Amino acid sequence: AQKITQTQPGMFVQEKEAVTLDCTYDTSDPSYGLFWYKQPSSGEMIFLIYQGSYDQQNATEGRYSLNFQKARKSANLVISASQLGDSAMYFCAMRFNSGTYKYIFGTGTRLKVLA
Amino acid sequence: KAGVTQTPRYLIKTRGQQVTLSCSPISGHRSVSWYQQTPGQGLQFLFEYFSETQRNKGNFPGRFSGRQFSNSRSEMNVSTLELGDSALYLCASSKDRATDTQYFGPGTRLTVL
Repeated sequence: AQKITQTQPGMFVQEKEAVTLDCTYDTSDPSYGLFWYKQPSSGEMIFLIYQGSYDQQNATEGRYSLNFQKARKSANLVISASQLGDSAMYFCAMRFNSGTYKYIFGTGTRLKVLA
Repeated sequence: KAGVTQTPRYLIKTRGQQVTLSCSPISGHRSVSWYQQTPGQGLQFLFEYFSETQRNKGNFPGRFSGRQFSNSRSEMNVSTLELGDSALYLCASSKDRATDTQYFGPGTRLTVL
């Protein structure tokens, strides 16, 4: 079954420290994309980072990096030097690159950055 | 480049009424997807439109419908509203279906009384 699992409902991190948000996925499709989105309390989903299933290198976007371990089917988000503005819900998502091209989302992790 | 816009941002309706939500995708984007987000069910896929055709549909009753216009703008309609339809409705657009990232709008928060 195709599924995204985020096992951490909530996380705390001290300002300026790094934090890792976990995401595991399950699919038998060879081609897929993995995404992370941030949802502040305002509600808008903000795209953070993308990793393709065939990408050899881990994706990085500024303070965000995606720790992609294909064999373990994990795509953890690492936020370095956390800021107070990073407090939000974070969603991991997967898109199928064939057939339906549908996106599926995890249940999210609520991150709170402490001053 | 303007982002995805959704109107209205907030809406209050009563049970039994119907509602139409609008989504304008990023210029050049042809795929529009709709999601319902509730605290209990999380983010659930409603449907996807591409080139004015519905390509995917989630597991929602027929009261939920949508359409896409030739300029890629999309509307979703919910008829005979129920209390459980209270949710944040998010629209997302992408340039194409297979390789492009989905970008989300700010959402429409619907409250059904």
